[in-house]
Amino acid sequence: SYVLTQSPSLSVAPGKTARITCGGDNIGSKNVHWYQQKSGQAPVVVINYDSDRPSGIPERFSGSNSGNTATLTISRAEAGDEADYYCQVWDSSNDHYVFGTGTKVTVL
Amino acid sequence: QVQLVQSGAEVKKPGASVKVSCKVSGYTLTELPMHWVRQAPGEGLEWMGNFDPDDGETIYAQKFQGRVTMTEDTSTDTAYMELSSLRSDDTAVYYCATVVGANFVFDIWGQGTMVTVSS
Repeated sequence: SYVLTQSPSLSVAPGKTARITCGGDNIGSKNVHWYQQKSGQAPVVVINYDSDRPSGIPERFSGSNSGNTATLTISRAEAGDEADYYCQVWDSSNDHYVFGTGTKVTVL
Repeated sequence: QVQLVQSGAEVKKPGASVKVSCKVSGYTLTELPMHWVRQAPGEGLEWMGNFDPDDGETIYAQKFQGRVTMTEDTSTDTAYMELSSLRSDDTAVYYCATVVGANFVFDIWGQGTMVTVSS
């Protein structure tokens, strides 16, 4: 089955840029979606189809996908961005959905 | 606006079954593919499977094959997920989630249902 790997955690200073990576075999050939999950809440999609931002998501969130790595970038990080972030793809080989292992982002 | 409202927390003994419900409002259940995702305490998101109303098929993640059943009651717009032969490592928050906008993206989630398996 398809596996998505993320670094467990990263810290970013307020106002700086955080880059969260999601590794998978030839992930650049798939569409990657990113979710933000704050403590005790359900996930919310922040980027879909590699780089599209749903309505209501700040422009500070952006995404890219190429080769074996997809990246979610949070520019000008704010305290409210502290959350767990998950990448997700649809595996067409078996019609299954796969989540990455998740990255905990701390803003300090 | 689509909303998913799930049933309340459950406590079950090992070996028992649990059935979690997810009621849809703002849409008709037959229009929505309903997915189930779980999250063990301190762990990541795990896709369990889904019912696709377009072809009437249910797909389960291999890990749950034989133990999970996803059903729907279209008369009440309610989806159900039943997990049997519960073990302690089934303790988790169970979410229903659906796709309204872009394909393959879970843009609407229920609030989650905590299932605790303990003797």
